[in-house]
Amino acid sequence: GAVVSQHPSRVICKSGTSVKIECRSLDFQATTMFWYRQFPKQSLMLMATSNEGSKATYEQGVEKDKFLINHASLTLSTLTVTSAHPEDSSFYICSARVTLAKNIQYFGAGTRLSVL
Amino acid sequence: AQTVTQSQPEMSVQEAETVTLSCTYDTSENNYYLFWYKQPPSRQMILVIRQEAYKQQNATENRFSVNFQKAAKSFSLKISDSQLGDTAMYFCAFMKLMEYGNKLVFGAGTILRVKS
Repeated sequence: GAVVSQHPSRVICKSGTSVKIECRSLDFQATTMFWYRQFPKQSLMLMATSNEGSKATYEQGVEKDKFLINHASLTLSTLTVTSAHPEDSSFYICSARVTLAKNIQYFGAGTRLSVL
Repeated sequence: AQTVTQSQPEMSVQEAETVTLSCTYDTSENNYYLFWYKQPPSRQMILVIRQEAYKQQNATENRFSVNFQKAAKSFSLKISDSQLGDTAMYFCAFMKLMEYGNKLVFGAGTILRVKS
């Protein structure tokens, strides 16, 4: 099956710093990638849809300037949490849609962000 | 807006027995996809099974099968011969077909524990 690699798996940072999370589709091209946030024992909440070569589409209530998304190539999307604060601590998951096939999203293993 | 409801926060089943997880959804669309994803303790989201709304036949994948009732907007997951490795959080998800993005809407999830 399609493989999505997400890095890093865990990051701890100080309040006020920025953190970049990478999401790569390893064996397929993904024109569309998605970024989710998940709190403990809760569901996945879509933050934004990332389209290669264009601006991301953010869900209502998600701060564009706080969560910067770049989808520069067909295999890489990045999420940068800018000026992170403790309330940004969460589990972030990316997914990629297999282009032209069956509308299936494959997920990365997630990144646990802890802001001190 | 589409909503997905999973009314069972937690379920448990004895190893080798059968369990059914329920899911209902609300939509005015006629063409869409439904999914069941599994999230084990590793938190890696894994696709379990997928159903296209225009197909009347219920999808099956080995020990996993669905009961898709389009008129009732119900999409339950049956796990036969439950195994310890089936212990996970299970999410039902709805995908509306759009020109771009095809976003997934997730239910709140059901924690399934398989007991030996």
